[in-house]
Amino acid sequence: GAGVSQSPRYKVAKRGQDVALRCDPISGHVSLFWYQQALGQGPEFLTYFQNEAQLDKSGLPSDRFFAERPEGSVSTLKIQRTQQEDSAVYLCASSEDRAGNQPQHFGDGTRLSIL
Amino acid sequence: GENVEQHPSTLSVQEGDSAVIKCTYSDSASNYFPWYKQELGKRPQLIIDIRSNVGEKKDQRIAVTLNKTAKHFSLHITETQPEDSAVYFCAASRADKLIFGTGTRLQVFP
Repeated sequence: GAGVSQSPRYKVAKRGQDVALRCDPISGHVSLFWYQQALGQGPEFLTYFQNEAQLDKSGLPSDRFFAERPEGSVSTLKIQRTQQEDSAVYLCASSEDRAGNQPQHFGDGTRLSIL
Repeated sequence: GENVEQHPSTLSVQEGDSAVIKCTYSDSASNYFPWYKQELGKRPQLIIDIRSNVGEKKDQRIAVTLNKTAKHFSLHITETQPEDSAVYFCAASRADKLIFGTGTRLQVFP
């Protein structure tokens, strides 16, 4: 594809609801990253996949956050029992291969608002 | 873990002037340093990056310098234009995940 695609662009949910955010990486990109960006802050790392393997999930804030990439392409970030502090922009990025320190290309993000 | 500090938080310059944004990092094992430009409501866009085996890299009006000893790296934008106005983020990485600075809001006045 032309770039990293994320959906939905905006999501509003009531506190306590579950949400699922989707990321379509650039075709053929091996590595996929999720970041959380609070208003006025820099992106903060959540989790990282190499193909279908989740190699690092140290940034996930709690066990309510879960990510998967079952076929090594599309990824889903799921947040269960959402809380107001989960409100943020969730960014997905992909990079070309498994070697470290390759340029990461970001999607437009999903803006999540928890009421 | 890695910690990246960035300053200034805001920077206003006249069109045509230069702008410099500075970052420091804590993990001496970090070896990749990208810079991203983010316009309001848009995705972060990679504008330039540098690896630890290089001290300086330039791409037209944009340059980045790296001092590994001091653990400093800087973004230099020359001949600034109004379309350079955005938030700029530095980041550091030693293997995969990026650790970002807190951002610099650059305003270029015509």
